[in-house]
This record gives sequence, C-alpha cells and structure tokens, in this order.
Amino acid sequence: ILNVEQSPQSLHVQEGDSTNFTCSFPSSNFYALHWYRWETAKSPEALFVMTLNGDEKKKGRISATLNTKEGYSYLYIKGSQPEDSATYLCAPNLIFTGNQFYFGTGTSLTVIP
Amino acid sequence: DGGITQSPKYLFRKEGQNVTLSCEQNLNHDAMYWYRQDPGQGLRLIYYSQIVNDFQKGDIAEGYSVSREKKESFPLTVTSAQKNPTAFYLCASSFSGTGGTEAFFGQGTRLTVV
Repeated sequence: ILNVEQSPQSLHVQEGDSTNFTCSFPSSNFYALHWYRWETAKSPEALFVMTLNGDEKKKGRISATLNTKEGYSYLYIKGSQPEDSATYLCAPNLIFTGNQFYFGTGTSLTVIP
Repeated sequence: DGGITQSPKYLFRKEGQNVTLSCEQNLNHDAMYWYRQDPGQGLRLIYYSQIVNDFQKGDIAEGYSVSREKKESFPLTVTSAQKNPTAFYLCASSFSGTGGTEAFFGQGTRLTVV
C-alpha cells in the first residue's frame, strides 16, 4: 500500500480567497503525479499530470507545483469561486507501480459565496 | 461520445447475495480499475487489469472477483464473502504504460446491502 497524504482534509474559504493544499508521496521511484477534481454527483476529472521536478502547471485560476526530491506537490487556487467547490485528489505513479493510481484521501474544498 | 459507463447508479441487495457491477468503456483503453470509497476515506483499489484476460488484486480484493474477457468491459462481482459491501464503487480506465497517462472515471455505483 502506497502512503499518499493530503492536507488539509477539508477547507472552507470565502469567495475570492486564494487557497492551497498539499499532497505528499514517496519520493523514491517517482514517475508522475496526477491531480483530479471530483465535484459532487460527477466523476473525478483530471486536472494535471506532472512528471518533472520543479514542474509547474496552470489551468485558469488553478496551478500546481511539483517537488519530486522531497515528495510533495502543491495545488493553488487563486480567487476561489463557488464552482471550485469539490474534492481534490492526488495520485502518484511510481516506477514499480506502473500506471496504477493510488489516491490520497483528498482535500474537500467548500467556497462560501 | 467516448466515455466510461457504470451501471446501475444505485443497487440494493440482500445480505448473502452476490451482485455484479457493470463497467464499460469505449475509449480503447487497455487498463481498467475498480475502486471503493467509504465515508471519510479515499479511493481504495480493489482490482485492476492492464490487458484482456489478465488482472491483479489491489489492496482490498478480498470478497471481490473480476473478469476481463473483452477490452471494453471489466465487471466487478461483490460476493457474499465481502464482510462490508455497502459502499460507493468507482470504475476507471486509462492507457497502459509506465505511468503518466490520465485515468477516466465512470459516475459510480452506490451499493447498499440490507
């Protein structure tokens, strides 16, 4: 079983606030790190796939950074909107696990209008 | 439209009965996965398959069985041996490889055993 930790477990922010959360994963044998967004009553959707140390990805107001040497990734949301309310999941791929997805427990974000 | 379909959305069964959850994809993905989610917990891997006629146990395979006779289909059977079957079940698929390819998910099946 892979140890993937996400923090915080849940977060409530006001509309317009910026926020960030963390995903920690084993740094050895790293191959890729995935971020997914899971809105209530919908399927999880991929946000980013990151592979290189120091990588930064951006999609609109959401961005993510990756540190493979220390085994963590940050997800940032700038100017949170109610439609950002969702659970954000991360899943690393390690070399010995191939493309299996071992998910963290997620960060549940609620943006209050 | 390409996608991954799970059925049914809600399922009720009596204790002691086996039940099969359906998962079909038309994305031409080689790999398929089954996850279980319980309240307050993350997605836990039950079984996965990288290729037709081959599958491997995940972390919580006990009490479950799968088959992969066709590339498009990966049904999950929850047997009477599964001690706590009431949960939300999510199926996913992706291209095979060493990693780095995104997974696509179905909408899930909520199973309630009474």
